[in-house]
Amino acid sequence: EAGVTQSPTHLIKTRGQQATLRCSPISGHTSVYWYQQALGLGLQFLLWYDEGEERNRGNFPPRFSGRQFPNYSSELNVNALELEDSALYLCASSPAGWLQPQHFGDGTRLSIL
Amino acid sequence: SQQGEEDPQALSIQEGENATMNCSYKTSINNLQWYRQNSGRGLVHLILIRSNEREKHSGRLRVTLDTSKKSSSLLITASRAADTASYFCATDLRAGGTSYGKLTFGQGTILTVHP
Repeated sequence: EAGVTQSPTHLIKTRGQQATLRCSPISGHTSVYWYQQALGLGLQFLLWYDEGEERNRGNFPPRFSGRQFPNYSSELNVNALELEDSALYLCASSPAGWLQPQHFGDGTRLSIL
Repeated sequence: SQQGEEDPQALSIQEGENATMNCSYKTSINNLQWYRQNSGRGLVHLILIRSNEREKHSGRLRVTLDTSKKSSSLLITASRAADTASYFCATDLRAGGTSYGKLTFGQGTILTVHP
């Protein structure tokens, strides 16, 4: 069974640009989660999508947004990139229902120059 | 502040020894999960323990949960050099009869196992 896949592996942008990160969940999983792991800040929750709807959002500005497609894959968009957006962005998926473990992909490393 | 606080921040042991990592949290939880992260890579799910469970085993891993003390521990027995990684606890906070969906992570314990 394929795990959570994320693309691209690395992404280099400059300040003010926009970035799009993609995530394909494990087959059969309907929930997708996004986390940011920035140096010194640890793992921070960004967004939770389930059945195409945004269910919860972390303490991030509106320039962080995303969506979930009918096939349950997801995109994370970051507009007006800032230097502090440099981080590893991790996507996770879980089956429907609560108390399910979240399974993570290998992440996209976003570097802002 | 982070929901989970891990202790110790770093642990260095020899192959074959046991490694114990502790995690404390502040509010009621649905479950607690432990993850491993090799340098710069994604998180690998190790074990999930529900709030009504006290102990769980998976291979060389043993996790305990004490909800009265709001703490958990991860024991890795007979450690191997390949166990070298960062280990994180993550809590799924209780929201009435459901979940907020998000996991709140501790800062992690860096485990180094010397061959």
